[in-house]
Amino acid sequence: AQTVTQSQPEMSVQEAETVTLSCTYDTSESDYYLFWYKQPPSRQMILVIRQEAYKQQNATENRFSVNFQKAAKSFSLKISDSQLGDAAMYFCALPSPSNTGNQFYFGTGTSLTVIP
Amino acid sequence: DAGVTQSPTHLIKTRGQQVTLRCSPKSGHDTVSWYQQALGQGPQFIFQYYEEEERQRGNFPDRFSGHQFPNYSSELNVNALLLGDSALYLCASSLGGLSRESYGYTFGSGTRLTVV
Repeated sequence: AQTVTQSQPEMSVQEAETVTLSCTYDTSESDYYLFWYKQPPSRQMILVIRQEAYKQQNATENRFSVNFQKAAKSFSLKISDSQLGDAAMYFCALPSPSNTGNQFYFGTGTSLTVIP
Repeated sequence: DAGVTQSPTHLIKTRGQQVTLRCSPKSGHDTVSWYQQALGQGPQFIFQYYEEEERQRGNFPDRFSGHQFPNYSSELNVNALLLGDSALYLCASSLGGLSRESYGYTFGSGTRLTVV
C-alpha cells in the first residue's frame, strides 16, 4: 500500500532564511514519482516540485529543492531565501502504482509560517 | 487559459440533505478526479471520471456518486449528508487520466461544504 507521512504539522521560518520540510513514504514500486504541492489560503493545490525515483540527482526549481533518499524512503523539501508568499500548507504526494489506479496519496501536510 | 473551475465556493447543508458540487476542467483536459480534504488532513481520493464513466473509486460509501458530461465537466453528489462530510472538496483535471509525470494534473480551489 502507498503511504505518505509528514511528521511536522507546523513549521516557521524567518524571511530570507532556509527551511526544510520532511516527508517519508512507503511503496512497493521501484520506479515512481514523488511530488510536493503547496496549498495557500486560496485553497488551490499548486505543484511545487517533482522527483523521479530512478534519477540520482535531486530536483531543483528555483528556490525549491529536494533531498531524495530512496533507500530511506525520505523526500524532504528545502525552501531557500524564504519569502512571505511561501506561507502555505505543503503536502507531499505519491501517485498510485501505474498498474493499479489513478490517484494521489497525500500526507497530512505541514503548515509553514514565514516571519517578516 | 481557464483553469479548473468549481462551484459553489461555499455552502451549508443540513444533516440528511443532498448536495451537488460542480467542476469544469481546464481547457483541453478530459479527466476529472474528486478529492475530499477534511480539516487538518491531506486530500483523499473519492473517484475519477473519464469518458463519462467512473474509472476508479477510493474508499468512500455509495452515498458519494458522480457524473461526467460530454463536455468533460463533472458533478459530485452526496446523499444523506452526515456531519463528517464537512470538508473541502477538490476537483482536479488531467488529460487521459493520471499520467505518471502529472505535470498536467490541475486542481481547482475547491468547494467548502459545511454540514450542520
